[in-house]
Amino acid sequence: DAKTTQPNSMESNEEEPVHLPCNHSTISGTDYIHWYRQLPSQGPEYVIHGLTSNVNNRMASMAIAEDRKSSTLILHRATLRDAAVYYCILKGNAGKSTFGDGTTLTVKP
Amino acid sequence: DTEVTQTPKHLVMGMTNKKSLKCEQHMGHRAMYWYKQKAKKPPELMFVYSYEKLSINESVPSRFSPECPNSSLLNLHLHALQPEDSALYLCASSQVGQSFYEQYFGPGTRLTVT
Repeated sequence: DAKTTQPNSMESNEEEPVHLPCNHSTISGTDYIHWYRQLPSQGPEYVIHGLTSNVNNRMASMAIAEDRKSSTLILHRATLRDAAVYYCILKGNAGKSTFGDGTTLTVKP
Repeated sequence: DTEVTQTPKHLVMGMTNKKSLKCEQHMGHRAMYWYKQKAKKPPELMFVYSYEKLSINESVPSRFSPECPNSSLLNLHLHALQPEDSALYLCASSQVGQSFYEQYFGPGTRLTVT
């Protein structure tokens, strides 16, 4: 299974942008890149996903490298409620999805 | 309704007990999943059901027995568990075509095996 690599932790100041990187050098051509986040004592929550092009939604943006071996989740203005563990996941057609170890984001007021 | 519900929230069981975890969704999703999550670790996929049929079993020990009685319900039957099986058990659902569609997760059942 394709694996993802993320930094263990990152810090941000409130209302500043945050760029969360993910490396996935063994991604296959049909794998979608998904991002989820998990707040304490909750199940993971979907954030965004894409295949090749950069994507945006109301929560975040994702930039995908041209060779698809890395991606970056962008939170445009971090709030205290964005403090969570962010997981970068590759999803293949077989239904398997392998979570990376995740990045713990701390947002400072 | 974009909610996945799981019951019970907490469960303590002895190694000789038999118990079941329950998961329910009413979003019309035909793919449902069980994950296991140990403290400070990412979720690990256990089982995937697609159209109520088991499509993926990630070599999970037979003391965990999944069941999908209909398109809205997913159960996980537990028997003769070990203390190392203590974890948060997460259920999720999605539309079929798993690579494209997002998964919706429940809040989990925190299981303690004594």
